[in-house]
Amino acid sequence: DADVTQTPRNRITKTGKRIMLECSQTKGHDRMYWYRQDPGLGLRLIYYSFDVKDINKGEISDGYSVSRQAQAKFSLSLESAIPNQTALYFCATTHPNTGELFFGEGSRLTVL
Amino acid sequence: DQQVKQNSPSLSVQEGRISILNCDYTNSMFDYFLWYKKYPAEGPTFLISISSIKDKNEDGRFTVFLNKSAKHLSLHIVPSQPGDSAVYFCAASHSGNTPLVFGKGTRFSVIA
Repeated sequence: DADVTQTPRNRITKTGKRIMLECSQTKGHDRMYWYRQDPGLGLRLIYYSFDVKDINKGEISDGYSVSRQAQAKFSLSLESAIPNQTALYFCATTHPNTGELFFGEGSRLTVL
Repeated sequence: DQQVKQNSPSLSVQEGRISILNCDYTNSMFDYFLWYKKYPAEGPTFLISISSIKDKNEDGRFTVFLNKSAKHLSLHIVPSQPGDSAVYFCAASHSGNTPLVFGKGTRFSVIA
């Protein structure tokens, strides 16, 4: 089983719809992240959380919100999806000592 | 303004040859650097890291070199193998306490 699990893996939706991407991890790490990958733009940070009571905006947080429901769960929401939010989304968690990021397998979102 | 730059969007090399992937950074506070590899339909996976107290770190066929004065690091793959074909991301952080900042990636292909 994967240490970082994302659901759904693929989703097609329409402009204006609300979408939630969920992430859970079994590594027991405090720190969790949501990144977005676009062709030619690499991985850009949307939001991150260093513990259950901590939420921080990343480089491209506009149009997104997050919820840290528990140490193991960190969800990303698009309140009203728009086509330029079509991308591959990755959840990740950090090893507390090495700073190494462990990524989920990704959620591919298409907004029509 | 990009803090981590990978100026080569793609690189191709013949099997068995040495490959060098380059990365530059602008933030002098960065002191921990990592390389990630990403295959299609998978999340990025950690490859190798280096802290600023070192100038070289080696792990099997992979070696990372850090030149702090030039704010430059490079990943050497010797010898290159077809299974190394992937997108490689350079990433950096400050003291492991800030989220990783990623470059845009280099699509690396090894030709058999």
